Amino acid sequence: DAGITQSPRYKITETGRQVTLMCHQTWSHSYMFWYRQDLGHGLRLIYYSAAADITDKGEVPDGYVVSRSKTENFPLTLESATRSQTSVYFCASRDPGLAGGPRLFGPGTRLTVL
Amino acid sequence: AQSVTQLDSHVSVSEGTPVLLRCNYSSSYSPSLFWYVQHPNKGLQLLLKYTSAATLVKGINGFEAEFKKSETSFHLTKPSAHMSDAAEYFCVVTLPYNTDKLIFGTGTRLQVFP
Repeated sequence: DAGITQSPRYKITETGRQVTLMCHQTWSHSYMFWYRQDLGHGLRLIYYSAAADITDKGEVPDGYVVSRSKTENFPLTLESATRSQTSVYFCASRDPGLAGGPRLFGPGTRLTVL
Repeated sequence: AQSVTQLDSHVSVSEGTPVLLRCNYSSSYSPSLFWYVQHPNKGLQLLLKYTSAATLVKGINGFEAEFKKSETSFHLTKPSAHMSDAAEYFCVVTLPYNTDKLIFGTGTRLQVFP
């Protein structure tokens, strides 16, 4: 089915471990985004990408790394997880012809760092 | 600086009664504004958007919002609430120099009682 998928949907890890959250979209949208959602903060942009091999920092990029070797995939890596990175992570994409930001969100990954 | 304030963290209504979710924004430029809805354990879905065309914007599921520049408001309304409207609602504004960077409000949780 077309859409955005995220994996895993739930993840528990320990402080200091490396974790990669996967995002895959089937629309061939050039723009993709990673957000984290925390109580009292709404959604905050971590990184975004305008096309393959083009990425840029958002509001809260520290502690995260992204790559975009293929248009359809946009993995997010926590190189050394910390408790403050416990959150729900959403991937999103948009068609470049639709101005004004992301349109389509994935179902989210709930990450717990112990 | 751009910002958005959702004036109520929780709103409770009875089924069949009107819904009003309030949002004020701060922007040095003509903003683009959105409302998104998030059902439990789901991703965000775009309800409607304002991009400097008509000030009364109609969205999905019977929702609409009115852009009032003089009041810097973009309140979301629905004439008659349905049980399925129970969700979290986010008001969002874009940055004028980068419409891919969305600023999210902290959300309003709508409860609908039978």
